[in-house]
Amino acid sequence: SQQGEEDPQALSIQEGENATMNCSYKTSINNLQWYRQNSGRGLVHLILIRSNEREKHSGRLRVTLDTSKKSSSLLITASRAADTASYFCATAPNTGTASKLTFGTGTRLQVTL
Amino acid sequence: KAGVTQTPRYLIKTRGQQVTLSCSPISGHRSVSWYQQTPGQGLQFLFEYFSETQRNKGNFPGRFSGRQFSNSRSEMNVSTLELGDSALYLCASNPGQADTQYFGPGTRLTVL
Repeated sequence: SQQGEEDPQALSIQEGENATMNCSYKTSINNLQWYRQNSGRGLVHLILIRSNEREKHSGRLRVTLDTSKKSSSLLITASRAADTASYFCATAPNTGTASKLTFGTGTRLQVTL
Repeated sequence: KAGVTQTPRYLIKTRGQQVTLSCSPISGHRSVSWYQQTPGQGLQFLFEYFSETQRNKGNFPGRFSGRQFSNSRSEMNVSTLELGDSALYLCASNPGQADTQYFGPGTRLTVL
């Protein structure tokens, strides 16, 4: 079963605007990752933040993690049409291997010209 | 390096049949994981293989099984197919202890 909930479920913005999506999870984690999926294809890894980190940047992406609230947010700045995709958060457990990811429900982002 | 490849990309089966999906990881990657994606349940972990041994398992019935070969290629098998098994099956690989998963394009299975 899915551990995380993401909101919003869908987001529509114009090119150049910022997009923020949020993820909540239920149990202790080793790390939290964000993935992008284009139109029912494979997932592409975007960024990983460890449980002892609060914020991380990668290009136009900014991720925050609040372990006390069991939540994370992904900010995409200056969105482009090519950012149109579904975005998923995934948590890796505190025990066992990092390969057993638990995914959130996903946010569908539509960036229009 | 070539990415993760999955074959076939599309598959149509009927209820009661069995199916085998194949995954070739990135060269040098020893861990292969399988996920099922459906509109209703989302992305769910099936199992992970590392060095030909199942290292992790999700909450799926015994009809779902897998194996890994000495060259790290992996197969998953679903027996006695049900309509609810219609899904996108994704394979992911990593070197073994890394956090980041590298996903293949998926196999879309339709059960009629």
